[in-house]
Amino acid sequence: EPEVTQTPSHQVTQMGQEVILRCVPISNHLYFYWYRQILGQKVEFLVSFYNNEISEKSEIFDDQFSVERPDGSNFTLKIRSTKLEDSAMYFCASSPPGRTNEKLFFGSGTQLSVL
Amino acid sequence: RKEVEQDPGPFNVPEGATVAFNCTYSNSASQSFFWYRQDCRKEPKLLMSVYSSGNEDGRFTAQLNRASQYISLLIRDSKLSDSATYLCVVNYGGSQGNLIFGKGTKLSVKP
Repeated sequence: EPEVTQTPSHQVTQMGQEVILRCVPISNHLYFYWYRQILGQKVEFLVSFYNNEISEKSEIFDDQFSVERPDGSNFTLKIRSTKLEDSAMYFCASSPPGRTNEKLFFGSGTQLSVL
Repeated sequence: RKEVEQDPGPFNVPEGATVAFNCTYSNSASQSFFWYRQDCRKEPKLLMSVYSSGNEDGRFTAQLNRASQYISLLIRDSKLSDSATYLCVVNYGGSQGNLIFGKGTKLSVKP
């Protein structure tokens, strides 16, 4: 069964450093997303991406965050200068075209720890 | 404010039990509704969509009451493997995939 893959599974970084989280969405999907989940909290929407541009972003997705689809397969989330409060599990997701486009398929996540 | 509220549980039930989860959402303009399942430290996985007419998938039945802004999930004949956190999820009609998640209801099925 096709799946969304994310790398790395764990990322430890120092406060103020830049991190790039990588995702390979399911190949025929057209919509891509990043969500995050702070330990013990809700899953929160960060950003949606379609047709090579951001469709919507949440208040969390400030100027420190950016997304990119550098080639036909990868979808990345960059945090420019990490803060302690950025520590969370970051989930990439994708959804297919057509009537099922609201059904999201999540990757297994990258656990980001900012020290 | 767009909120999805769930009883956090935990619900501790024996194998074979029937268990029901409830969820309320705050915005009447909501368009799409889902139940996801999340195992500890894993990604959310879509369990089922929820339709106004109600829908069933094996042991799982989901209901939507738009007038009361209320969603439910019924699990019959619980299995040990059903132990997980069940997330109520709503799309308020924003962009594609802008889903609002509830905090989840934890279910523990005991032998």
